[in-house]
Amino acid sequence: NSKVIQTPRYLVKGQGQKAKMRCIPEKGHPVVFWYQQNKNNEFKFLINFQNQEVLQQIDMTEKRFSAECPSNSPCSLEIQSSEAGDSALYLCASSLAQSNTEVFFGKGTRLTVV
Amino acid sequence: GEQVEQLPSSLIVQEGASVLINCSYTDSASVYFPWYKQEPGKRLQFIIDIRSNMERKQTQRLTLLFDKKTKHLSLHITATQPGDSAIYFCSASIMNYNQGKLIFGQGTKLSIKP
Repeated sequence: NSKVIQTPRYLVKGQGQKAKMRCIPEKGHPVVFWYQQNKNNEFKFLINFQNQEVLQQIDMTEKRFSAECPSNSPCSLEIQSSEAGDSALYLCASSLAQSNTEVFFGKGTRLTVV
Repeated sequence: GEQVEQLPSSLIVQEGASVLINCSYTDSASVYFPWYKQEPGKRLQFIIDIRSNMERKQTQRLTLLFDKKTKHLSLHITATQPGDSAIYFCSASIMNYNQGKLIFGQGTKLSIKP
């Protein structure tokens, strides 16, 4: 059973506000992914880390998001200035390797921007 | 970049029936194909995967077929049960450095009628 823990489960923010969510990856997993799942169930990859280092991120994440995975602390994803279009389910996942191996997901943080 | 197409978008069947979900991808560099099940309020649950050096994988009531030439996968679920009702996602991953992200299909909403 996956033990990727995401908090909070629900987050409501006004437009322009910061929105921060956290993720504790499965124990021993050095690789962490963040995805955004919109109301149409479309997934968008946002960023991934190996230990504390960013491996890859999309342009939107680089410009509007702040993400980190410090050692001995939860990983975090923060939207600097929330927009209505950011309303979505944010999924954190972890794995033992960057690719070609099982990826375990958390339950997600559902962000609503009002 | 990689694109994953999944059909059908929804299926409604009687309990006990078999179902087939199809998935196609575009990038021949994709080598790993995990499938996930998502129920409301629950985490994305890994159900089966296949690698590009295989043609078939079976676990209990799931059979996953892979055709590298046509870039096509199909998931067969037999003896469906009400607990199988969920959204099913196929995904693809390229095994290159920094390319471990998963690209997801649009999902197939499966509803099992008791």
